[in-house]
Amino acid sequence: GNSVTQMEGPVTLSEEAFLTINCTYTATGYPSLFWYVQYPGEGLQLLLKATKADDKGSNKGFEATYRKETTSFHLEKGSVQVSDSAVYFCALSDHTGTASKLTFGTGTRLQVTL
Amino acid sequence: DAGVTQSPTHLIKTRGQQVTLRCSPKSGHDTVSWYQQALGQGPQFIFQYYEEEERQRGNFPDRFSGHQFPNYSSELNVNALLLGDSALYLCASSLTVGRNEQFFGPGTRLTVL
Repeated sequence: GNSVTQMEGPVTLSEEAFLTINCTYTATGYPSLFWYVQYPGEGLQLLLKATKADDKGSNKGFEATYRKETTSFHLEKGSVQVSDSAVYFCALSDHTGTASKLTFGTGTRLQVTL
Repeated sequence: DAGVTQSPTHLIKTRGQQVTLRCSPKSGHDTVSWYQQALGQGPQFIFQYYEEEERQRGNFPDRFSGHQFPNYSSELNVNALLLGDSALYLCASSLTVGRNEQFFGPGTRLTVL
């Protein structure tokens, strides 16, 4: 079946540091890939997405490129802020017939300090 | 434009009881999915509703059932609650099935004692 593997956290960085959160996936066919962010006590917010190989998703300074050859979708940001502290989830969308479900990784907690 | 709304926010039940959670999708969306997120874990897919029918189901027992109404809102029902059902239940809506992103509500925190 489909699966998503994320690097384990927590990841602790100083403000303005470079961020990379690794994500690899296993899937049949051609899934869409997503990064969601969850702030404490809240639901999930879509951060960015990519729907086909070599697509780059970007939002709020975050970027991720859909790499089919390495089955990866690593999240990067050049300069993190304290407000980026949250849990980040990598996910893929599996399209089966008339349905599409999301399969999530276990999440990576990011803590940014001053 | 209201996003996805869920009710109630929090709920406390005892083992063996039944619970109903409610979800209203984002305006214009007709597909609703439900996910269970245990503490410290990623969300797990329960099922998806489209055109008032369950279209796909994850690996959850029959104690978990749902319904979608003509206005696209949805309910999740869980019978015979177990301690292990304690989790954050997330509803997500999308603009019909297919390669469309899912927008999540704030969730309902269910605690089973």
